[in-house]
Amino acid sequence: GQQVMQIPQYQHVQEGEDFTTYCNSSTTLSNIQWYKQRPGGHPVFLIQLVKSGEVKKQKRLTFQFGEAKKNSSLHITATQTTDVGTYFCAGREYGNKLVFGAGTILRVKS
Amino acid sequence: GAVVSQHPSWVICKSGTSVKIECRSLDFQATTMFWYRQFPKQSLMLMATSNEGSKATYEQGVEKDKFLINHASLTLSTLTVTSAHPEDSSFYICSASHPKGSRGSYNEQFFGPGTRLTVL
Repeated sequence: GQQVMQIPQYQHVQEGEDFTTYCNSSTTLSNIQWYKQRPGGHPVFLIQLVKSGEVKKQKRLTFQFGEAKKNSSLHITATQTTDVGTYFCAGREYGNKLVFGAGTILRVKS
Repeated sequence: GAVVSQHPSWVICKSGTSVKIECRSLDFQATTMFWYRQFPKQSLMLMATSNEGSKATYEQGVEKDKFLINHASLTLSTLTVTSAHPEDSSFYICSASHPKGSRGSYNEQFFGPGTRLTVL
């Protein structure tokens, strides 16, 4: 079945440093979504990417969808303490359910 | 944005008892809701897709008779963990798709706050 791999599992950065998490699917996706879950909270939708090679920005966050629609990345520029949490990618095959990656836990040292 | 609530937020029960968790979409109608299970520091595992007015679709490995799902209306889905055991202790989260998400993205899922179940 469809698998979504996400790396790294955990990253601890100094405030102001950049952060990137990567997502790879075993199959071609119709779209990929990114969610953020704060400690003790529930996942909150960040963005959805649909088109091959798509790049979207939200302030310091940059999201990319690969040309083959099998991988994606989330890059945070100049991390802040408010960025802490777990970032999940979730990929959807055509007509299928959403499959979540394992998540990347981000910790930011001030 | 769309709001999804869950009740209770936490529950502690004895082994062998049944626990019902409610998931409600507060300001929109959700024909489809999803139930996930999340272990500490792990990802969300889809358990089942709940369809209003019809039977739920369970993921492979999820026992239908153990995790009963009822989607009685367009705003309410319930998950009942029957004869709960300590290994059922987990964080259960529901989500619903809004016809048009907060950023205009179809397919965006809105998650409830989750229910932490502890079975003694």
